[in-house]
Amino acid sequence: QQQVKQSPQSLIVQKGGISIINCAYENTAFDYFPWYQQFPGKGPALLIAIRPDVSEKKEGRFTISFNKSAKQFSLHIMDSQPGDSATYFCAASNTDKLIFGTGTRLQVFP
Amino acid sequence: DGGITQSPKYLFRKEGQNVTLSCEQNLNHDAMYWYRQDPGQGLRLIYYSQIVNDFQKGDIAEGYSVSREKKESFPLTVTSAQKNPTAFYLCASSISSSKNTGELFFGEGSRLTVL
Repeated sequence: QQQVKQSPQSLIVQKGGISIINCAYENTAFDYFPWYQQFPGKGPALLIAIRPDVSEKKEGRFTISFNKSAKQFSLHIMDSQPGDSATYFCAASNTDKLIFGTGTRLQVFP
Repeated sequence: DGGITQSPKYLFRKEGQNVTLSCEQNLNHDAMYWYRQDPGQGLRLIYYSQIVNDFQKGDIAEGYSVSREKKESFPLTVTSAQKNPTAFYLCASSISSSKNTGELFFGEGSRLTVL
């Protein structure tokens, strides 16, 4: 119930393409869904987050789509750039802990 | 600049030795966390602390210990009881844990290798 399942494990995208990473959860008490971006050798940093009262949130080229009934949410990166190459983690929380997905390694090639 | 400082960045340890990883924050955050990162397993919570002199076990606390004597400091000791300690360790903080908004601020990590 506390798990957050993330897919795919790795993703290769051409520059200018759309990167899509998916996450699913079971616990309906989760009420906050952030995405973190991590570059090699660094700690993760908050990228974008959403609450379940909205179905979509967009910040620049990054969009979260949220499907409450399906208990799924996804990150879309439009016009993917080589600088977006990183590991992305979805997460979910409802109390004082954050539960992370297993991560997606994104590689964007020129 | 405000942030989280972890040290050392790299650490080598012989089997059977305890080692302590340092984590200091100057963000005036109440809550602090320790995560372990292994390839393909994401970030797993080891311990967290909501206030000074109080801390709780996370999902993988066995073989680890922590202390929270000061608000800005949350050191993690990896004991010899930890069966597979080689990993990347991340410290994080958040403003408050009374209602987790998911806004964790992470340090740059400490990579521990057991020889």
